[in-house]
Amino acid sequence: DTGVSQDPRHKITKRGQNVTFRCDPISEHNRLYWYRQTLGQGPEFLTYFQNEAQLEKSRLLSDRFSAERPKGSFSTLEIQRTEQGDSAMYLCASSEVGVTDTQYFGPGTRLTVL
Amino acid sequence: KQEVTQIPAALSVPEGENLVLNCSFTDSAIYNLQWFRQDPGKGLTSLLLIQSSQREQTSGRLNASLDKSSGRSTLYIAASQPGDSATYLCAPCSTLGRLYFGRGTQLTVWP
Repeated sequence: DTGVSQDPRHKITKRGQNVTFRCDPISEHNRLYWYRQTLGQGPEFLTYFQNEAQLEKSRLLSDRFSAERPKGSFSTLEIQRTEQGDSAMYLCASSEVGVTDTQYFGPGTRLTVL
Repeated sequence: KQEVTQIPAALSVPEGENLVLNCSFTDSAIYNLQWFRQDPGKGLTSLLLIQSSQREQTSGRLNASLDKSSGRSTLYIAASQPGDSATYLCAPCSTLGRLYFGRGTQLTVWP
């Protein structure tokens, strides 16, 4: 069990560009979550999946954001037409509902929009 | 909307002290509550999870309590060490699985 992994770890982009992040959960975890954390704040929930179904989306997730988990394994988070306000750490977590419920977090992807 | 407050915001203590970190939340309809630590620039490490039906959970030098009806949780750290220096985050979990976070308590333990 290698834990939750995220790729890339750092991304620098120019305003207006599209970016995509990947998250690989702990194998056999049926839930996958995305959170966003800005400097000095706690993480904020963005969305989560149970298997391949996206069950909840925060109002923080504007139309420029889209997330997928096509086969119920890894997930991608895409941000279109990035803005400077999108600069943050994007965190992914996974859990096995009904077994432990503990959410295990990955190392995060640090996004900087210039 | 669930609001989470952690007190104190920062704490600096000498090695060996016993510590109490406080967390309060506004909506008592939670499924469970997790405590995490976060080192600078890193992801979150899960420390303890307390189910809503439990009052207490222990792991090594850490003990967390939960009073769901009053919206409070406490993390007790015994015999603190410099390696405990980090930000500690409390996160009540909704029945839908969403974690809500406060700003955390930034702990510094000096030798």
